[in-house]
Amino acid sequence: EAGVTQSPTHLIKTRGQQVTLRCSPISGHTSVYWYQQALGLGLQFLLWYDEGEERNRGNFPPRFSGRQFPNYSSELNVNALELEDSALYLCASSLGRVSETQYFGPGTRLLVL
Amino acid sequence: GQQVMQIPQYQHVQEGEDFTTYCNSSTTLSNIQWYKQRPGGHPVFLIQLVKSGEVKKQKRLTFQFGEAKKNSSLHITATQTTDVGTYFCAGSGGSNYKLTFGKGTLLTVNP
Repeated sequence: EAGVTQSPTHLIKTRGQQVTLRCSPISGHTSVYWYQQALGLGLQFLLWYDEGEERNRGNFPPRFSGRQFPNYSSELNVNALELEDSALYLCASSLGRVSETQYFGPGTRLLVL
Repeated sequence: GQQVMQIPQYQHVQEGEDFTTYCNSSTTLSNIQWYKQRPGGHPVFLIQLVKSGEVKKQKRLTFQFGEAKKNSSLHITATQTTDVGTYFCAGSGGSNYKLTFGKGTLLTVNP
């Protein structure tokens, strides 16, 4: 069974640019979660999508947004990139409610210069 | 909002020594999960605890959920170099069903 996949694996952008990260959940999983893992700051919850709808959102500014498609894959968009957005962005999927086990993808490492 | 605190932030041990990381929640949890992230890798699910006072074992790893369902611990007996990584606890509770991660404990093992 294929795990959670994310693309791209690495990305370099400059301040002010926009970026789109992609995630494909495990087959049969309807929930997708996005986390930001900056150096030394642990996992910061960004967004939770389930059945195509945004269910919950972490303490991030509106320039962080996303969506979930009918096939349950998801995109994370970050506008007006700032230096502190440099981090590993992890996507996870689960069968449904967030209390279910979350399976993480390998992440996208974003560097903002 | 719900907060999950994890201590210590770092722990360095000699191979063969024991290791424990502790997790405390500001609110009562419905369940707690533990994840391990190897250096350069992504978090991998280890276990989920649901019942008050629950204890689960996986080989040298022992997981406990407190009686009040507000704290948990992970204990590793006789650490090995393969145990190196960051161990995260994550709690779920309340009406928003958001899984809140602790900041993790980075374990390093000296061979």
